[in-house]
Amino acid sequence: GQNIDQPTEMTATEGAIVQINCTYQTSGFNGLFWYQQHAGEAPTFLSYNVLDGLEEKGRFSSFLSRSKGYSYLLLKELQMKDSASYLCAVRDYGGSQGNLIFGKGTKLSVKP
Amino acid sequence: EAGVAQSPRYKIIEKRQSVAFWCNPISGHATLYWYQQILGQGPKLLIQFQNNGVVDDSQLPKDRFSAERLKGVDSTLKIQPAKLEDSAVYLCASSLDLKLNEQFFGPGTRLTVL
Repeated sequence: GQNIDQPTEMTATEGAIVQINCTYQTSGFNGLFWYQQHAGEAPTFLSYNVLDGLEEKGRFSSFLSRSKGYSYLLLKELQMKDSASYLCAVRDYGGSQGNLIFGKGTKLSVKP
Repeated sequence: EAGVAQSPRYKIIEKRQSVAFWCNPISGHATLYWYQQILGQGPKLLIQFQNNGVVDDSQLPKDRFSAERLKGVDSTLKIQPAKLEDSAVYLCASSLDLKLNEQFFGPGTRLTVL
């Protein structure tokens, strides 16, 4: 079966660092994505990992371990505007290409 | 560059009524996706088009949902008849091609079925 797990909610302080974990079990794997979704808005692309290791993009970094079925999104120097849901998604080729399977999302609240 | 356009943004209907949503993808994007996002959950793929052909509709409830992309550009998603559990945000996304990484999402249509 297909399963993607991430914590439901997290709280962190402005200026701090937060790590959002994601574990997955899928029938196929061809990449892991992180999206940011502010309340009432569409998801926006943050990062993509297909090989093991860390991808850094400004304040955001994403890590992947394919052998462990594990990824995390690291947010540094948190700002109030980072309060949003963060969605982990796996591209599982299976019988179709480009199909993303999303987790339920982690709602991050950044406090002053 | 214009983003993915969707309309309407909000729709309220009663159960057993019909409803249609429209999506215009980013110009030149061959692949178009419709997702259903129920409150508190991640988006779930309903149907995926490559140009005007269906690539994957395995999770589309075909007894009540239909979608088309006749000219390979804009697309409509229809629900007929609607049920209470169809209340959700319907997101349209597009990407340049099947194999490229980034999907661009539209603002969504929030459907409430009473």
